[in-house]
Amino acid sequence: EAGVTQSPTHLIKTRGQQATLRCSPISGHTSVYWYQQALGLGLQFLLWYDEGEERNRGNFPPRFSGRQFPNYSSELNVNALELEDSALYLCASSFREYEQYFGPGTRLTVT
Amino acid sequence: AQKVTQAQTEISVVEKEDVTLDCVYETRDTTYYLFWYKQPPSGELVFLIRRNSFDEQNEISGRYSWNFQKSTSSFNFTITASQVVDSAVYFCALGGRASGTYKYIFGTGTRLKVLA
Repeated sequence: EAGVTQSPTHLIKTRGQQATLRCSPISGHTSVYWYQQALGLGLQFLLWYDEGEERNRGNFPPRFSGRQFPNYSSELNVNALELEDSALYLCASSFREYEQYFGPGTRLTVT
Repeated sequence: AQKVTQAQTEISVVEKEDVTLDCVYETRDTTYYLFWYKQPPSGELVFLIRRNSFDEQNEISGRYSWNFQKSTSSFNFTITASQVVDSAVYFCALGGRASGTYKYIFGTGTRLKVLA
């Protein structure tokens, strides 16, 4: 069974640009979670999508947004990039809310 | 409020030593789940274990064991006879509905270095 996949692996952007990160969940999983892991820090919850709806949002500004498509894949958009947005962005999927399986992450570098 | 504390930022041990990673949590939920994940240098979080709040049985899986104690709100993880491949950052996490919506809270992680 294929795991959670994320693309791209690495993304380099300049300050002020927009970044789009993608996540494909494990087949049969309807929920997708996004986390930010800045260098040396733990995981900070960003967004949770389930059945196409945003269910919960972490303490991040509105320029962090996303969506979930009918096939349950998801996109995370970060507008007006700032240097501190440089981080590893991890996506996780679940079928039942108490199990999360993580993808390999997208490393975003903002210069 | 939900909170997970991993007080050990970094631990270094010599190969074959046993090591325990501490995790203390706070929650008002009566039903919740606790997790441990391993994050090797590649970055991907690897699921290790899930326990629900009603199951305080300790669990052993090979060289890994977990000690869940509700009385002290702790869910500690022990690696027996550590190996260099165990070097990684380990995260403890708590899942529950304390605020009405299901949330996962992760600790800040413990970096384990196993020296040959």
